[in-house]
Amino acid sequence: DQQVKQNSPSLSVQEGRISILNCDYTNSMFDYFLWYKKYPAEGPTFLISISSIKDKNEDGRFTVFLNKSAKHLSLHIVPSQPGDSAVYFCAASRWNSGGSNYKLTFGKGTLLTVNP
Amino acid sequence: NAGVTQTPKFQVLKTGQSMTLQCAQDMNHNSMYWYRQDPGMGLRLIYYSASEGTTDKGEVPNGYNVSRLNKREFSLRLESAAPSQTSVYFCASRIRGDTQYFGPGTRLTVL
Repeated sequence: DQQVKQNSPSLSVQEGRISILNCDYTNSMFDYFLWYKKYPAEGPTFLISISSIKDKNEDGRFTVFLNKSAKHLSLHIVPSQPGDSAVYFCAASRWNSGGSNYKLTFGKGTLLTVNP
Repeated sequence: NAGVTQTPKFQVLKTGQSMTLQCAQDMNHNSMYWYRQDPGMGLRLIYYSASEGTTDKGEVPNGYNVSRLNKREFSLRLESAAPSQTSVYFCASRIRGDTQYFGPGTRLTVL
């Protein structure tokens, strides 16, 4: 059962336009959401996060929106740049049942291509 | 400050062979993690270590063992490699909060 879903395997946008990447989750116990960016042959790098008590978090060109009632979050990149071309993973966390550690559950990723 | 390092970068094994993937972090982080990434599958947690001396199973632990050698190092061992273990393996570490920092990965092929 996939708890974090990224239903779009790929997205293509023009440089300067907005990129919107979507993510849905099923587990209402998740209390923190993160976006990671991954270039080929590199490890994922943290991009931006949002707590479940907030509905928006902004960092420069990147904004994450959270709609808890819909169990949906999205990452907006404005304006998009060719260097943003990468795979973007949505991730969610909650304390595990023993309360000893956070674990991240990842979506399958969305390949973003920004065309010059 | 190298962050999270992994060795080797690439490895080819034959079915039944064993090997250990090494991971080290120099950020004094308490928690460390091993993930595998398969095409179209995202990242799946194999094992994690909340702190030195403790390890716990993740989502896909079968066929793997881990050792938290000290605070810096967390190794992943395949005792008898199978073609289904062909994957890219990522190690990550975390000190607090939810952000995990990833290494560059080890690409493993099992023939």
